[in-house]
Amino acid sequence: GDSVTQMEGPVTLSEEAFLTINCTYTATGYPSLFWYVQYPGEGLQLLLKATKADDKGSNKGFEATYRKETTSFHLEKGSVQVSDSAVYFCARGPTGAGSYQLTFGKGTKLSVIP
Amino acid sequence: EPEVTQTPSHQVTQMGQEVILRCVPISNHLYFYWYRQILGQKVEFLVSFYNNEISEKSEIFDDQFSVERPDGSNFTLKIRSTKLEDSAMYFCASRYDLTTGELFFGEGSRLTVL
Repeated sequence: GDSVTQMEGPVTLSEEAFLTINCTYTATGYPSLFWYVQYPGEGLQLLLKATKADDKGSNKGFEATYRKETTSFHLEKGSVQVSDSAVYFCARGPTGAGSYQLTFGKGTKLSVIP
Repeated sequence: EPEVTQTPSHQVTQMGQEVILRCVPISNHLYFYWYRQILGQKVEFLVSFYNNEISEKSEIFDDQFSVERPDGSNFTLKIRSTKLEDSAMYFCASRYDLTTGELFFGEGSRLTVL
């Protein structure tokens, strides 16, 4: 069935390190793709999105490119900060008509240490 | 900035008891959702609600679950007779329309069933 798979956490990095969190999806068609972030004690917030193949979403130094050929949407940041410590969720929109249900990955917890 | 608010933030209940989780979506939004995340697992779609009726629901959303929009501001999720496996974080979300991709999430309500 359709699903979203993201790399297992937790991920622990030193400040200024390079971050990659892998995400792959399965779907019939070309859904919109999203990264959501959950900071400690807060709700899920949209970090970035891409709506079609080869689109690059970016926000707060994070980037992800919609790769149709590899069905991937990996999240990257060149230099992480302690304030980036959070849980990151990859999500996929539907490919057919509907009420716009999102399908989420399990989430990857990132801890950045000074 | 408008936000989705949820109450309670944490509820502990005995198995078999009824629980009502409350959400106040963003005021001009039209589509409302409940998701849940069992600890260590994926964020799962439960139900979507539009125009005072359920528009889509998952297989998780069985007869023990119900949703209601009793007035112009609240959106509630009721679990009639809680089971141990209902223990999870429940997220409410809303969006204005179907053309924009973003769901706005609340901070979540943690339900613990003993």
